Amino acid sequence: DAKTTQPPSMDCAEGRAANLPCNHSTISGNEYVYWYRQIHSQGPQYIIHGLKNNETNEMASLIITEDRKSSTLILPHATLRDTAVYYCIVTIYGGSQGNLIFGKGTKLSVKP
Amino acid sequence: EAGVTQFPSHSVIEKGQTVTLRCDPISGHDNLYWYRRVMGKEIKFLLHFVKESKQDESGMPNNRFLAERTGGTYSTLKVQPAELEDSGVYFCASSQVSGFYNEQFFGPGTRLTVL
Repeated sequence: DAKTTQPPSMDCAEGRAANLPCNHSTISGNEYVYWYRQIHSQGPQYIIHGLKNNETNEMASLIITEDRKSSTLILPHATLRDTAVYYCIVTIYGGSQGNLIFGKGTKLSVKP
Repeated sequence: EAGVTQFPSHSVIEKGQTVTLRCDPISGHDNLYWYRRVMGKEIKFLLHFVKESKQDESGMPNNRFLAERTGGTYSTLKVQPAELEDSGVYFCASSQVSGFYNEQFFGPGTRLTVL
């Protein structure tokens, strides 16, 4: 079972910031928080990951609370193409580790 | 650089038939994963190859599913005989073994319909 809890759906106006929350209260010390998204009819796509510090890349920002029990993915200027299901995944660090456990995710709808 | 490719994109077969799905990972990626999403369910892990070896096959549903990765390059996933509940989208992903994070690159998936 997924170790994370996300709201099933959210709406966001185009051009505004989308803030997607995730609860992972049972996260352990060697686990990272990853975010993937799946745009309709495509395979999942990596967005960002973090351990305990806030992270930013060209796609998004990740804010992790100090106790690491929750995080927020921020899409600073959402576009219609950001409409997708967003998955928050907690997993052990390391390229040779195995599987990603996908939960139900949050369906983000960006509206004009 | 080419991404992960999967063939076929769609497959429609009858119950009891055999189907083979193929995945070509990104060149140089030693890790190869298979996942699937059956109707209305979440994406579930099936198995993980490191080069040609099966690192973890704990997600394989039963012995009707056989995955291979000869030579550590492309992989095939065979379903024999197919059942109705095997219908869904099968995704393949790959990643670098020496990567510092678990960024898996996914293919577009193969949509399997068993009638």
